[in-house]
Amino acid sequence: AQSVTQLGSHVSVSEGALVLLRCNYSSSVPPYLFWYVQYPNQGLQLLLKYTSAATLVKGINGFEAEFKKSETSFHLTKPSAHMSDAAEYFCAVSEGTGANNLFFGTGTRLTVIP
Amino acid sequence: DAGVIQSPRHEVTEMGQEVTLRCKPISGHDYLFWYRQTMMRGLELLIYFNNNVPIDDSGMPEDRFSAKMPNASFSTLKIQPSEPRDSAVYFCASNSRPGHNGELFFGEGSRLTVL
Repeated sequence: AQSVTQLGSHVSVSEGALVLLRCNYSSSVPPYLFWYVQYPNQGLQLLLKYTSAATLVKGINGFEAEFKKSETSFHLTKPSAHMSDAAEYFCAVSEGTGANNLFFGTGTRLTVIP
Repeated sequence: DAGVIQSPRHEVTEMGQEVTLRCKPISGHDYLFWYRQTMMRGLELLIYFNNNVPIDDSGMPEDRFSAKMPNASFSTLKIQPSEPRDSAVYFCASNSRPGHNGELFFGEGSRLTVL
């Protein structure tokens, strides 16, 4: 079975500071991994995805994530936070080519302090 | 393309009433998913369809919930009778495997409040 654990339900950073949101996964098969962002009163939007190609994945809005199999991690980072990054972020896993449904983490709310 | 369209965006109803949520997936997508989001449980997959056929409904909480997809461009999620604990945001999502490699395209959600 697939699952993800997001460490920290709330993260606060100052504008311009590094953003680090943590995600660890569990999967019995090579996983596909995703980060989604949800702005208030909106649906989820894809930030980036890992599908067994390059382990360092770049996404939209300057975010990137690195797949580390040895640590079963897929942490999301951004070098310099912007006020517009304030949102909720979800890590998700799927079985890859064998299935099409995603299992989501519980989310991390990012607050950016001016 | 228009994206996934959900209606209504907001619904307030009284306990015991029937609720119907609607979804129009992106044209050409052959997978459709219903998720529920609550503060306590996060995002839960309720059911998903492939080519209008329900594939996995193990996430549907109980018999009060039902979902249908009569054609490729329309799906409904019905709750009858509704209860206060059903209050949540219900999201519909679609995609087309294998082209999207598991990526889902979400609607803006239907916020349900049951009094």
